[in-house]
Amino acid sequence: EVQLVESGGGLVKPGRSLRLSCTASGFTFGDYAMSWFRQAPGKGLEWVGFIRSKAYGGTTEYAASVKGRFTISRDDSKSIAYLQMNSLKTEDTAVYYCTRRGQRITIFGVVITEAFDIWGQGTMVTVSS
Amino acid sequence: QSALTQPASVSGSPGQSITISCTGTSSDVGSYNLVSWYQQHPGKAPKLMIYEVSKRPSGVSNRFSGSKSGNTASLTISGLQAEDEADYYCCSYAGSSTFAYVFGTGTKVTVL
Repeated sequence: EVQLVESGGGLVKPGRSLRLSCTASGFTFGDYAMSWFRQAPGKGLEWVGFIRSKAYGGTTEYAASVKGRFTISRDDSKSIAYLQMNSLKTEDTAVYYCTRRGQRITIFGVVITEAFDIWGQGTMVTVSS
Repeated sequence: QSALTQPASVSGSPGQSITISCTGTSSDVGSYNLVSWYQQHPGKAPKLMIYEVSKRPSGVSNRFSGSKSGNTASLTISGLQAEDEADYYCCSYAGSSTFAYVFGTGTKVTVL
C-alpha cells in the first residue's frame, strides 16, 4: 500500500525549532519529488515547499512565507523526507501534511503533473508561549 | 501570489449536478493546464480528485469532471451523493520564475 506517515509535531514556543519527518512506503521514494503543505485551524490549504528527486537535482523550492526559516531535505536510503522549521512563529500553527508530487509515464518519458497524489494523515504543530 | 477565488458554499440534492468555479489570473490558471482539485472531509487529509484540469486519478469516480476556460477552472460533480459532502479546493501551478502553487479559498459542498 502506498503510504506517507508524518511524525514530529507538537507544542513549541515561538522562536524555537521543530523537525517533522515523513516516512514513505509502497513506492520507489527516490523517484518522486516530495512536498509539504499546511492548514491552519479552520483555514484553507497552503503550499510550504518541496524537494525534487535526485534525478532532477534534489533542489528545493519554498513559499515566500517560510523561505529562510524552513528547510526540506530527504534521505532516499530511508525513504524519509524532513521539514526543519526554525524561528517558529505563532502563525505557523497548523496541521502539516507530507505529499508526493505526481508524475505519469508517456512515450516521451516522465511528465510531472504538478498535482499531489498521495497525502499523509498530517501532524499538528502548535506554536504558543 | 493571491489565493484563487472559489464560492464559499454550493449545495444540491442527491442525484443533481453541481459546479464549483475557481477563478485565478493569467499568471496561474490562465497560463497552465495544471489545475488540480482536492476533496477534504472533516478531520481528514485532502484527496486528489482531478489533475491537469480534467484528468481523473485511478479510483476516482467518473462523476467528477474538470474543465477550464480562460482564467477560470471548474469542477463538476454529477449524480450528487451523500459522501460527496466535503470541502473542495482547487490548486494551480503558478510558474517557475517565482515558484509557487496557489490554492483556492475552498468550497463547502452540502448535500441537501
